[in-house]
Amino acid sequence: QQQVKQSPQSLIVQKGGISIINCAYENTAFDYFPWYQQFPGKGPALLIAIRPDVSEKKEGRFTISFNKSAKQFSLHIMDSQPGDSATYFCAASTGYKLSFGAGTTVTVRA
Amino acid sequence: NAGVTQTPKFRVLKTGQSMTLLCAQDMNHEYMYWYRQDPGMGLRLIHYSVGEGTTAKGEVPDGYNVSRLKKQNFLLGLESAAPSQTSVYFCASSDGLPAGNTIYFGEGSWLTVV
Repeated sequence: QQQVKQSPQSLIVQKGGISIINCAYENTAFDYFPWYQQFPGKGPALLIAIRPDVSEKKEGRFTISFNKSAKQFSLHIMDSQPGDSATYFCAASTGYKLSFGAGTTVTVRA
Repeated sequence: NAGVTQTPKFRVLKTGQSMTLLCAQDMNHEYMYWYRQDPGMGLRLIHYSVGEGTTAKGEVPDGYNVSRLKKQNFLLGLESAAPSQTSVYFCASSDGLPAGNTIYFGEGSWLTVV
């Protein structure tokens, strides 16, 4: 039973468009919410992360929006580029453990 | 700087065979982890270690054993492989708790059990 539910499973966006991936959780003990990016044949790599006392964090074209009361957070990829085509995982941690969502495969069409 | 290195990268096993996956990190990290990745399920934690000589169970530990005899190495063992253990295995390491510390992943080990 996954502790972090992620949607959609996949999405296709045109170059220059906005990609939005949503995640929801139930465990209020989670205290850190990272996003990972994974290219085919590679391991996941940390993209951006947020703590629950912040509602938004932006790094370049990537923004996390966090809604503590709704127990939801999302990743927005602005001005999507073909190089952003990858699988994105949301995650949540408490203590030593990091729980991952199922992943979203993003395809950016040129 | 190699980061996290996993060997082997690919392996095919017969049901009932045993094998060991080796993970090595050169970042002097205290924490090390083994995850498995399956389609539609994300990554699930198998076992982890918070220091040399320590190990602990994660979400899906059954059928696996681990050892951390040296700080830089974390071994994952399958004593009697089953088809359900066909997966991609990722080793990772971090300098401390996930909150606030980047977890670095290896490139994965593809295991098929027939």
